[in-house]
Amino acid sequence: GNSVTQMEGPVTLSEEAFLTINCTYTATGYPSLFWYVQYPGEGLQLLLKATKADDKGSNKGFEATYRKETTSFHLEKGSVQVSDSAVYFCALTTTYNFNKFYFGSGTKLNVKP
Amino acid sequence: EAGVTQFPSHSVIEKGQTVTLRCDPISGHDNLYWYRRVMGKEIKFLLHFVKESKQDESGMPNNRFLAERTGGTYSTLKVQPAELEDSGVYFCASSQRQGGVDSPLHFGNGTRLTVT
Repeated sequence: GNSVTQMEGPVTLSEEAFLTINCTYTATGYPSLFWYVQYPGEGLQLLLKATKADDKGSNKGFEATYRKETTSFHLEKGSVQVSDSAVYFCALTTTYNFNKFYFGSGTKLNVKP
Repeated sequence: EAGVTQFPSHSVIEKGQTVTLRCDPISGHDNLYWYRRVMGKEIKFLLHFVKESKQDESGMPNNRFLAERTGGTYSTLKVQPAELEDSGVYFCASSQRQGGVDSPLHFGNGTRLTVT
C-alpha cells in the first residue's frame, strides 16, 4: 500500500539553525513526492515537489531530494527563520491514482528568535 | 483570485446531530477534493469531484457521510448522524486540472469539527 511516515514533532529550533525533517514512504507504483506547509491560521500550500528519483525540489531555501534507494524525501533548510514556524506535511501520489494524495501526520516546527 | 473558502471554520455539535460543511473552490477549478485530519494524525483522502461527478469516493469512511457538488461549483459534506470519532479537521482543496503533480492542490483553511 501507500503511506508516508514523518518524524514526530514538535521540533523547536533557534533562528538560523539547520533544519531536517525526516520523511520516508512506501508506495505501489511510481510515486511523486511533495512537501506541503501549513502556516498558522492558513490552509496547506505546496512548498516543493520531486517527480523522479534523484530529483531535488527546492523553494524558499528549503530542499528535499527524492531518494529511491532509501525511500526517503527529507526536508532541509540551512538557516531557519521565525517565519518558518508552521506544520510541514510530507505527501505522495502515484501513477495508479494521481488524484489521491497520501499525507504524513505532519511535523510542527517552532523557531525561536 | 479568491482562494478556497470553507465554512464554518469551527463547529461543535453533539453526538447524533447533523452537520454540513461547505467548500467554495477557486473559480474555474473543476477538481474538488475533501480530506480529513483526525486527532492530529495523517491527513486522509475522502473523495474527489470532477465538476459535479464523484470521480473517487474510496476514502469516505461510511454511509453517514454524504458529499455533493450540485452544478459543479461549491460542495457540501454532510455528516449524519455525527459520532465522536468524526471529530477532526476537514480540508477542502481544488485544482485546475486532474492530478496534483502539474496542477497543485489549493487548500482551504479547514473546518474544525468537534463532536461531544
